[in-house]
Amino acid sequence: QSVLTQPPSVSGAPGQRVTISCTGSSSNIGAGYDVHWYQQLPGTAPKLLIYGNSNRPSGVPDRFSGSKSGTSASLAITGLQAEDEADYYCQSYDSSLSAHVVFGGGTKLTVL
Amino acid sequence: QVQLQESGPGLVKPSETLSLTCAVSGYSISSGYYWGWIRQPPGKGLEWIGSIYHSGSTYYNPSLKSRVTISVDTSKNQFSLKLSSVTAADTAVYYCARHIAVAVTNWFDPWGQGTLVTVSS
Repeated sequence: QSVLTQPPSVSGAPGQRVTISCTGSSSNIGAGYDVHWYQQLPGTAPKLLIYGNSNRPSGVPDRFSGSKSGTSASLAITGLQAEDEADYYCQSYDSSLSAHVVFGGGTKLTVL
Repeated sequence: QVQLQESGPGLVKPSETLSLTCAVSGYSISSGYYWGWIRQPPGKGLEWIGSIYHSGSTYYNPSLKSRVTISVDTSKNQFSLKLSSVTAADTAVYYCARHIAVAVTNWFDPWGQGTLVTVSS
C-alpha cells in the first residue's frame, strides 16, 4: 500500500481534460509538504512533469498543471493527446515515516 | 545537460549482493545536490531506495536501510548502490537520478534510463 493514493487508471478522449488525484494525510500533503509529478511513457524512465505543486520544468507543455489543497493534490491535463498515454506518479515527503521520499502507486492514463 | 547512466550485472543470485554504479555527465557531483536510487519492480510502482550528498552523507528508505549502502566517488563523478541479501522481491528496474532537495521538499530530475536487475539462481 502506497502512502499516497492515486486511482489505478483514468481515461479520456483526445482534446478532453482529465485530472489525476493524489491523496495523502496529515503527515505528508496535509502537513504542507510539496507534491511533485512524474510522467513515465511506456518502456522509458520517469520524467519530472511538475515540481513544487504547480511548477513546470522547462519544456513541459502548459497543458499540464498541478494543484494542491488540504490533504490532496491533482494533476490536470488539458487538450489530451495520444502521446500523453503514460503512467503518472505523485511524490512528496512524509514526516511520520523517516522516509524522505514517498510515491503514489501510479495512475495509468489511457487516451481513447 | 546533466545525464546519468546506470551500469552493473543484470543477473544476481539470491542471497548475494546487488551492485550498481551511476555515472554522471554534464555536472560535477562535487558541486552539490543529492544523488539517489529508485527502483521499480516489473509492472509495479516506484520505490525510493536512498540518496547521498557529495560529501558522503546518506539517507535511506527505512524499509531497506539494513541492506543498503550508497557511496560516492567524486573523482570518477559517479555514485554506487549495494543491496545485500537479495531475493526475488528485489527484481526490478533500478534508476539513478539527481535528487534536488530544498528544505524538506525534494524531487528527482533528471533520471537515468534504468537497468533491469533480475534475482535468480
